[in-house]
Amino acid sequence: DQQVKQNSPSLSVQEGRISILNCDYTNSMFDYFLWYKKYPAEGPTFLISISSIKDKNEDGRFTVFLNKSAKHLSLHIVPSQPGDSAVYFCAASVGANNLFFGTGTRLTVIP
Amino acid sequence: ETGVTQSPTHLIKTRGQQVTLRCSSQSGHNTVSWYQQALGQGPQFIFQYYREEENGRGNFPPRFSGLQFPNYSSELNVNALELDDSALYLCASTQGGGTEAFFGQGTRLTVV
Repeated sequence: DQQVKQNSPSLSVQEGRISILNCDYTNSMFDYFLWYKKYPAEGPTFLISISSIKDKNEDGRFTVFLNKSAKHLSLHIVPSQPGDSAVYFCAASVGANNLFFGTGTRLTVIP
Repeated sequence: ETGVTQSPTHLIKTRGQQVTLRCSSQSGHNTVSWYQQALGQGPQFIFQYYREEENGRGNFPPRFSGLQFPNYSSELNVNALELDDSALYLCASTQGGGTEAFFGQGTRLTVV
């Protein structure tokens, strides 16, 4: 049973435009959400996180939005750069426990 | 500050064999978690160790076992390897109570 879902396996965006990656979850007990970026042959790299008590967290070009009522979060990257091309994983946890990951979205930023 | 390191990076084993994967946690981190990432999937939680004790386990059979040492490094052992065990095995470390896990580069295990 997949508790965290990323329904778009891939996304292509022009350089300089906004990239929006989406994630849905089913477990209402999740209280912490994270985004990771993964390049081939490397482990996931932490990008940005958000606690369930917030609805937005921003770090430079990256913003994560959380809609608890819809059990949905999204990652916005503005402006997108070719170096952002990677697989992005959404993850969620209950407290400081294990992470539940989505299946990932491959982002391609076209120069 | 050193990051999370895993060894080996690649490994090929035969069905039925046993394998040990190793992980050194990030400096100052006392919690280590192991994940299995099959092709085209997200990482799946195997188990977590905190201060040398297992502190949570995912839906994996007992032939997946682990250890954590006093220096917080960790091992993942898999007995009686099956073809479906072929995957990328990721180790992640956190400071106890922390929520941002930092991952190693993974060990690619192929079972033939």
